[in-house]
Amino acid sequence: AQRVTQPEKLLSVFKGAPVELKCNYSYSGSPELFWYVQYSRQRLQLLLRHISRESIKGFTADLNKGETSFHLKKPFAQEEDSAMYYCALSIHNTDKLIFGTGTRLQVFP
Amino acid sequence: DAGVIQSPRHEVTEMGQEVTLRCKPISGHNSLFWYRQTMMRGLELLIYFNNNVPIDDSGMPEDRFSAKMPNASFSTLKIQPSEPRDSAVYFCASSFPGPPTGELFFGEGSRLTVL
Repeated sequence: AQRVTQPEKLLSVFKGAPVELKCNYSYSGSPELFWYVQYSRQRLQLLLRHISRESIKGFTADLNKGETSFHLKKPFAQEEDSAMYYCALSIHNTDKLIFGTGTRLQVFP
Repeated sequence: DAGVIQSPRHEVTEMGQEVTLRCKPISGHNSLFWYRQTMMRGLELLIYFNNNVPIDDSGMPEDRFSAKMPNASFSTLKIQPSEPRDSAVYFCASSFPGPPTGELFFGEGSRLTVL
């Protein structure tokens, strides 16, 4: 079955601390994975896609097929990173996305 | 472009009433998605359309839910009759034609409360 798991509902850190938001997936095909972010009072939007291997706002995510993971990391959290983060899996290389349950990141000053 | 437009932004209704949520995708986009967001289950895909045709409705919870896309610029999600467990935020999203990029453009959502 296709599934995305985000085990943490809430992650709280202090400004400057490292952040890792966990994401695991279950998919029989070749996975295409994404991170979406929803800031307070803003629309849900794409943060980064694994295939681009890019760093956006200091965040990176590496696809680990052996561990079926796609964790989101940032070495030094900022207060403006506080948001809801969703990991998503593309099904059959389409725009149909299966989302995890989301992790709320709180960064305290 | 104002982005994906959803209405109403908030709806409070009583159990048993019919609810209709509306969505206008971004002009030129040819795929449209309806998602439901709850605290417990996160974002669940209900149905998606490609070129106005329903492609996958396997996420529609039951027969009380129906969705239509009569043309490229308008879609509706209807719940009849509504129940308290339908209370959630319903999102509409659209995407560009062509090779899939995984980038969906979301509306601001419709918050539904069924009493």
